[in-house]
Amino acid sequence: GQSLEQPSEVTAVEGAIVQINCTYQTSGFYGLSWYQQHDGGAPTFLSYNALDGLEETGRFSSFLSRSDSYGYLLLQELQMKDSASYFCAVRVPNTDKLIFGTGTRLQVFP
Amino acid sequence: KAGVTQTPRYLIKTRGQQVTLSCSPISGHRSVSWYQQTPGQGLQFLFEYFSETQRNKGNFPGRFSGRQFSNSRSEMNVSTLELGDSALYLCASSLAGGGNEQFFGPGTRLTVL
Repeated sequence: GQSLEQPSEVTAVEGAIVQINCTYQTSGFYGLSWYQQHDGGAPTFLSYNALDGLEETGRFSSFLSRSDSYGYLLLQELQMKDSASYFCAVRVPNTDKLIFGTGTRLQVFP
Repeated sequence: KAGVTQTPRYLIKTRGQQVTLSCSPISGHRSVSWYQQTPGQGLQFLFEYFSETQRNKGNFPGRFSGRQFSNSRSEMNVSTLELGDSALYLCASSLAGGGNEQFFGPGTRLTVL
């Protein structure tokens, strides 16, 4: 089967840098996506890594290493508004289903 | 461009009843996916529709069904509701089937009593 594991919760202070990891057990996938979801809100797309390496989008960066079955989302210069849940996701070949990770709740403190 | 809309936003039903949820995708998007979100199970894939055809189905019982219309709007139906069906049901649209960037609606919060 396929599974994506994430830490359940991460805390940090404003201005800090935080890394949210996603480790997966799946026989193959097209790429790794990240979504952000604020309490009571809908998930919103953040980034997609089709290839290994680092993708940077403003304060957010995402990394993928297929050989290590590992990816992460890096949030820099944390702001209070970054407090939310973050999900990694992969689309699995053959079935083409989008599978989400267990989710990480990020709390940013002043 | 208007985002994904879902109706109703909140719903309370009792066990044994059935429910129909509606989703209108972003204009031009032809793929609609449905997810169930619960605190214990996270985001679980229900099904995906593209051009009125079901492309994929998750591991849910046959009580969960859906359809897509020619205008890409989609509905999902849950029959014989159980307490465990209480969840946030999210709909997401993308331009084509298999898209990695999905645009989510605000969800329908279903409570089964």
